[in-house]
Amino acid sequence: DIVMTQTPLSLSVTPGQPASISCKSSQSLLHSNGKTYLYWYLQKAGQAPQLLISEVSSRFSGVPDRFSGSGSGTDFTLKISRVEAEDVGFYHCSQTLQTPRTFGQGTKLEI
Amino acid sequence: QVQLQESGPGLVKPSETLSLTCTVSGDSINYYWWTWIRQPAGKGLEWIGRVFPSGVTEYNPSLKSRLTMSIDTSKNQFSLNLKSVTAADTAVYFCVRDHYFDNSGIRVAFDTWGQGTMVTVSS
Repeated sequence: DIVMTQTPLSLSVTPGQPASISCKSSQSLLHSNGKTYLYWYLQKAGQAPQLLISEVSSRFSGVPDRFSGSGSGTDFTLKISRVEAEDVGFYHCSQTLQTPRTFGQGTKLEI
Repeated sequence: QVQLQESGPGLVKPSETLSLTCTVSGDSINYYWWTWIRQPAGKGLEWIGRVFPSGVTEYNPSLKSRLTMSIDTSKNQFSLNLKSVTAADTAVYFCVRDHYFDNSGIRVAFDTWGQGTMVTVSS
């Protein structure tokens, strides 16, 4: 199985300030088709996760542009340019290169 | 807009079978893979497996010996059966649309989730 490791596990940010979360995979997520199958989700309290980013850097419909994803191979980053109160929750990275799909441990973002 | 709703018992006795159903509305079940993911309290997400409308399945090897997934296209539903449960199977279970491809060819994965249903394994 591909192991996904997130850092930090907890993050406290002042509104308006940037935030960054790292996700590392135990093997490259680059497919032979040239695509990299790394995803980011936000899970707010008491809710199901919601998709933020597909294939490293493609924002899902309706996701604010303050969210951005980057990286390649085994090292990836989610950045929030200016954190807002509504951004609190757990952030999860995931890989869909192989089954079983796997997730990081989750990073708790607090204000 | 597709919506998913899990249903099933909230309490299952140890050694018995956990059975859940997910009802899909707003779109046909016939076009996508459908996934189950679970989350124990205070822990991360675990991919359980997925099923295609043809009945083809892919399971997490850690659960494969106890797991059966099925799909009923006439009812727009898919199901999960996990046998011989223990307290370690206590979790919130989510049904999820596995993926689709957008206009740019991007694989959009786990885009739609049910609200989740809490299942407790206890006597």
